[in-house]
Amino acid sequence: DAKTTQPTSMDCAEGRAANLPCNHSTISGNEYVYWYRQIHSQGPQYIIHGLKNNETNEMASLIITEDRKSSTLILPHATLRDTAVYYCIVHRPQGGSEKLVFGKGTKLTVNP
Amino acid sequence: DGGITQSPKYLFRKEGQNVTLSCEQNLNHDAMYWYRQDPGQGLRLIYYSQIVNDFQKGDIAEGYSVSREKKESFPLTVTSAQKNPTAFYLCASSIRGTQETQYFGPGTRLLVL
Repeated sequence: DAKTTQPTSMDCAEGRAANLPCNHSTISGNEYVYWYRQIHSQGPQYIIHGLKNNETNEMASLIITEDRKSSTLILPHATLRDTAVYYCIVHRPQGGSEKLVFGKGTKLTVNP
Repeated sequence: DGGITQSPKYLFRKEGQNVTLSCEQNLNHDAMYWYRQDPGQGLRLIYYSQIVNDFQKGDIAEGYSVSREKKESFPLTVTSAQKNPTAFYLCASSIRGTQETQYFGPGTRLLVL
């Protein structure tokens, strides 16, 4: 799997949009971009994933650049409960036989 | 509600003792995984299973064993051969297919006494 680069930490004011960047310049054509988050002492929670088109669900939006070398996860109205470590993962599904490679992620702190 | 359950939430192991961590899912997923997470670190794959009665070693399988007798269940045994078992253990499952999102359980924290 290709490697990703994320900022170590970010802060966001409650109620504002949180924009979390991820660089994946070596991504290959059949690799998806996945985002997970992990609240302290809990299991990782799936947020969203995409291949090349922008995606939106009830939790977040994922914006992937046209060259697919970077992406941004957007939490439109951050709340205190969104404080977590956010992981950007590039992954090629292979029939259930491979691991997700979690890096250090971005520690997002939402402030009141 | 569909989901993945892990028990117990905390587990204590004495030196030389084997302990088994439970993982159950009712999502009808074929594939299941066990990861280990150490403080401030990412997740490392211990074992995975694509189908009942079949499983494969991950990156750090030494000192661990698993079984997959039922689709819903994938227990992990931490044996006495695992010399540094203190960690946060996470179970996940996914559908086998083109977009295999993995869904995680709440985790079990294992501590050695």
